[in-house]
Amino acid sequence: DIQMTQSPSSLSASVGDRVTITCRASQSISKYLNWYQQKPGKAPELLIYATSSLQSGVPSRFSGSGSGTDFTLTINSLQPEDFATYYCQQSYSTPTFGQGTRLEIE
Amino acid sequence: EVQLVESGGGFIQPGGSLRLSCAASGFTFSSYWMLWVRQAPGKGLVWVSRINGDGTSTSYADSVKGRFTISRDNAKNTLYLQMNSLGAEDTAVYYCARGLYNSSSGCIAYWGQGTLVTVSS
Repeated sequence: DIQMTQSPSSLSASVGDRVTITCRASQSISKYLNWYQQKPGKAPELLIYATSSLQSGVPSRFSGSGSGTDFTLTINSLQPEDFATYYCQQSYSTPTFGQGTRLEIE
Repeated sequence: EVQLVESGGGFIQPGGSLRLSCAASGFTFSSYWMLWVRQAPGKGLVWVSRINGDGTSTSYADSVKGRFTISRDNAKNTLYLQMNSLGAEDTAVYYCARGLYNSSSGCIAYWGQGTLVTVSS
């Protein structure tokens, strides 16, 4: 199985900040990388698929980049509703997820 | 609107069995791969199993292989997960899910609300 490693595991930031979360795959996954946001007690929601495509309804302050093994999720101008846990997931083969990054209010 | 509604979770003793169901609506159920994903309390997301549209192709995570069986009834628009020989490590919220596109391993655009399975003596 392809292992996905996210960093950092947790992150503190303030409203208005720009934050970046990274995700590294144990082997090349081309552009088959997706990002999810999960709030406590809720199901995950798809933010970005295929590395950089924004899911319908997701604000444009979210963006993704990368290819091969290294990927990033960037959130510009953090809003109060963005404080959540973020997961990357590879869809190159049998799905696997990163361990998650918890984004907290500083 | 795509809707996925899980049921069947609950409290079960180690070694027991449980069957989860997921009622799907808002799309042509038989045309899509469907998945189960679980999340242990306070932990991350883990893919469990998937099944193709007509039920002829299935796969499982190593941790559940031989104990869990995924199936579907396209006439009832329902996905199932039969879970046998349950252990404490199976305690989790189980999500029924569907991809954005009809793919065996694509991004997951639709999730149910989840159903909690607690395995404990």
